[in-house]
Amino acid sequence: KNQVEQSPQSLIILEGKNCTLQCNYTVSPFSNLRWYKQDTGRGPVSLTIMTFSENTKSNGRYTATLDADTKQSSLHITASQLSDSASYICVVSAGQAGTALIFGKGTTLSVSS
Amino acid sequence: DVKVTQSSRYLVKRTGEKVFLECVQDMDHENMFWYRQDPGLGLRLIYFSYDVKMKEKGDIPEGYSVSREKKERFSLILESASTNQTSMYLCASSPRDRGHGYTFGSGTRLTVV
Repeated sequence: KNQVEQSPQSLIILEGKNCTLQCNYTVSPFSNLRWYKQDTGRGPVSLTIMTFSENTKSNGRYTATLDADTKQSSLHITASQLSDSASYICVVSAGQAGTALIFGKGTTLSVSS
Repeated sequence: DVKVTQSSRYLVKRTGEKVFLECVQDMDHENMFWYRQDPGLGLRLIYFSYDVKMKEKGDIPEGYSVSREKKERFSLILESASTNQTSMYLCASSPRDRGHGYTFGSGTRLTVV
């Protein structure tokens, strides 16, 4: 069964600190993996998208990694800001054209001052 | 800037009412999707459409129908709203190759009383 598991479920950190969110997946055939940021009451916004051959991709203070062998991805946030408080969702595309999306349940990050 | 626009941010409807949620995209995308998002359950696919007048059931289509009369517009219809349909509804669109360019709307928070 295709599944995406995220950990931790929630996380509280102090402003300025770094953090890492995890995503493990059992999806086949793998097409790509995306990380989304979702602010409360808003729709998800794409942070990164990685294909099988990519193992690192950055978007400002966000860096995503992908290990296709172990089927794990992480999202590292550097020098966190209050505006990073949000839910972060890992999504894996399956099939040759990414025709099926499998969503993780998300990690809720709270950054406090 | 590409956009997926949902007509309402918040809606309150009574049990038994017929409810229309509208979604418009300006990216000339072939595919459009409706999801609902509930705490602890993540995003679940209700219906999707890969072309005008075409529709496919997702994981939880019961109690919903959809309409796609024009390429840019995808409507979700709750024929007779019930309290268990209180949720956040998210529309998304993507080009035919769903491997890239998956964009979400800002969401509609529907409360059925």
